[in-house]
Amino acid sequence: AQSVSQHNHHVILSEAASLELGCNYSYGGTVNLFWYVQYPGQHLQLLLKYFSGDPLVKGIKGFEAEFIKSKFSFNLRKPSVQWSDTAEYFCAVTLSNDYKLSFGAGTTVTVRA
Amino acid sequence: NAGVTQTPKFRILKIGQSMTLQCTQDMNHNYMYWYRQDPGMGLKLIYYSVGAGITDKGEVPNGYNVSRSTTEDFPLRLELAAPSQTSVYFCASSYRDRGRGETQYFGPGTRLLVL
Repeated sequence: AQSVSQHNHHVILSEAASLELGCNYSYGGTVNLFWYVQYPGQHLQLLLKYFSGDPLVKGIKGFEAEFIKSKFSFNLRKPSVQWSDTAEYFCAVTLSNDYKLSFGAGTTVTVRA
Repeated sequence: NAGVTQTPKFRILKIGQSMTLQCTQDMNHNYMYWYRQDPGMGLKLIYYSVGAGITDKGEVPNGYNVSRSTTEDFPLRLELAAPSQTSVYFCASSYRDRGRGETQYFGPGTRLLVL
């Protein structure tokens, strides 16, 4: 069965620390990949997406993600987090010829001031 | 553009009651979706629609119904509410990104509590 796995349920960091969140998927075909963020009390917002081309994708708020096809991974990174990055982060995948997203369970990130 | 809007923001239902969650988008997107979000479970697709008059089941459709009479509106109907339907419900719509893939945009959510 197709699935999306996020390795960490909860990550706690101090401000200025680096962040990396893992995401692996188990789809056999060409995929489109997304990271969404949900700030406390708010709806999901798109951080970045990958459809094709350069596997290193830059998104909003200083986030980036790298697609490694051989590892079926799409890890999210930020070199220096801020308190305002406290949120829940979701990885999502769809086949390139489809439109239905499959979501990972999410990772809660808490940044301590 | 207001984007995707949902009403109500919060609702408490008694077991067996029914209600409709409203969703409207003003971006002229063809595709619309309903998800539920449960703690630690990510989002699960309930129903989706590829255009007015066309709907289909997602991963967890039982206990829900939808309709799509216009491009803008995609209401979700709960009949005979059950405690298992306590969740946060998100509506989304999407467009095809330069022919390469769909990007979904989400509404603010409806928090539903069934007691």
